[in-house]
Amino acid sequence: EAEVAQSPRYKITEKSQAVAFWCDPISGHATLYWYRQILGQGPELLVQFQDESVVDDSQLPKDRFSAERLKGVDSTLKIQPAELGDSAMYLCASSPRTSGTDEQFFGPGTRLTVL
Amino acid sequence: ELKVEQNPLFLSMQEGKNYTIYCNYSTTSDRLYWYRQDPGKSLESLFVLLSNGAVKQEGRLMASLDTKARLSTLHITAAVHDLSATYFCAVDMTGGTSYGKLTFGQGTILTVHP
Repeated sequence: EAEVAQSPRYKITEKSQAVAFWCDPISGHATLYWYRQILGQGPELLVQFQDESVVDDSQLPKDRFSAERLKGVDSTLKIQPAELGDSAMYLCASSPRTSGTDEQFFGPGTRLTVL
Repeated sequence: ELKVEQNPLFLSMQEGKNYTIYCNYSTTSDRLYWYRQDPGKSLESLFVLLSNGAVKQEGRLMASLDTKARLSTLHITAAVHDLSATYFCAVDMTGGTSYGKLTFGQGTILTVHP
């Protein structure tokens, strides 16, 4: 069964360092999402891609966060510099159709701890 | 701004009992999703509800959607320990340039005990 892949699964970093997360969506899925989930809360959308284009990044803290999906397949989310408040689970999801209204399938997530 | 509220936020159930989790949302939408999350794990899709009056059932769980009342319910029948998890509803704020953008509720932490 096809799955969304993410790496690393866990990342511990110090404040002010740079971190990067990688996501490989289910093959053929045009839409890719990055969510942040703070412990005890529901996921919050950071950025949505349609193929290689950003559809929505209104909740992405652009002073320190960046995201790209250069060839419209896999994607990278970067934080530079990391802050203590960035400690969270970062989830990637994908959905199949260009309408973006289909079910979203989530990857295993990357748990980030900033010390 | 779309708001999604779940209640209760914490639910402690005895095995064999029935209970309902409620999900209210603030703006028009006809697409609602239920997810399950085990501690430290990712989200597992449970139900996709795509129209008013939609009802889906899987095992001991049944979900329904009333778009006029802006309410979805997740009903648990004869709870068993394996159902212990956090349950999220998520509403699709479709339209404009924000199609496919899910807004999640706070989650309901369900614990089933003997």
